[in-house]
Amino acid sequence: DAGITQSPRYKITETGRQVTLMCHQTWSHSYMFWYRQDLGHGLRLIYYSAAADITDKGEVPDGYVVSRSKTENFPLTLESATRSQTSVYFCASSESYGYTFGSGTRLTVV
Amino acid sequence: GENVEQHPSTLSVQEGDSAVIKCTYSDSASNYFPWYKQELGKRPQLIIDIRSNVGEKKDQRIAVTLNKTAKHFSLHITETQPEDSAVYFCAALGNSGYSTLTFGKGTMLLVSP
Repeated sequence: DAGITQSPRYKITETGRQVTLMCHQTWSHSYMFWYRQDLGHGLRLIYYSAAADITDKGEVPDGYVVSRSKTENFPLTLESATRSQTSVYFCASSESYGYTFGSGTRLTVV
Repeated sequence: GENVEQHPSTLSVQEGDSAVIKCTYSDSASNYFPWYKQELGKRPQLIIDIRSNVGEKKDQRIAVTLNKTAKHFSLHITETQPEDSAVYFCAALGNSGYSTLTFGKGTMLLVSP
């Protein structure tokens, strides 16, 4: 599924810094999503987008910002990183029912 | 919003045995139920899904059943193999406006040779 890519794969950042995780898809899917995965919590939705310039909050949006100026890109920004945001972040896209996930970004906040 | 409960959290079986993972959901309007498999360090991948107008679906060694009255659905893996070892997630998609998938917390399946 090379059609959806995330970068970087690994990132270490310091508390208080701003960091942006990138997500790019080549299928022109309308819907894109950001999930975080933590042990014991499964996959929790942070933000999603139904189309360019349309975004909405998920279950755990606090501390995150998203934008979608182009259909193919959906970056996730941590405005001031905290240790509780240490996690694996997955981007996904969909045109109807099934979601296709990217390879993930492992973020460590120290 | 939707709430999905998944059991068990871990499951150990011997190679060749069957494995069953169960999920319940809260929103009676949910109409799509996928299952994802996630190998260690990899992305979740869709392995099978079922829609609310179907009671059972099979694909080789895996099957999913849905009981809408009881609001639960299950994943069945027969003749398990070591390569089935992974974390499995169930999910449910609501049916109001644009809904998003809500995932269970996952089941770690370990198949011993």
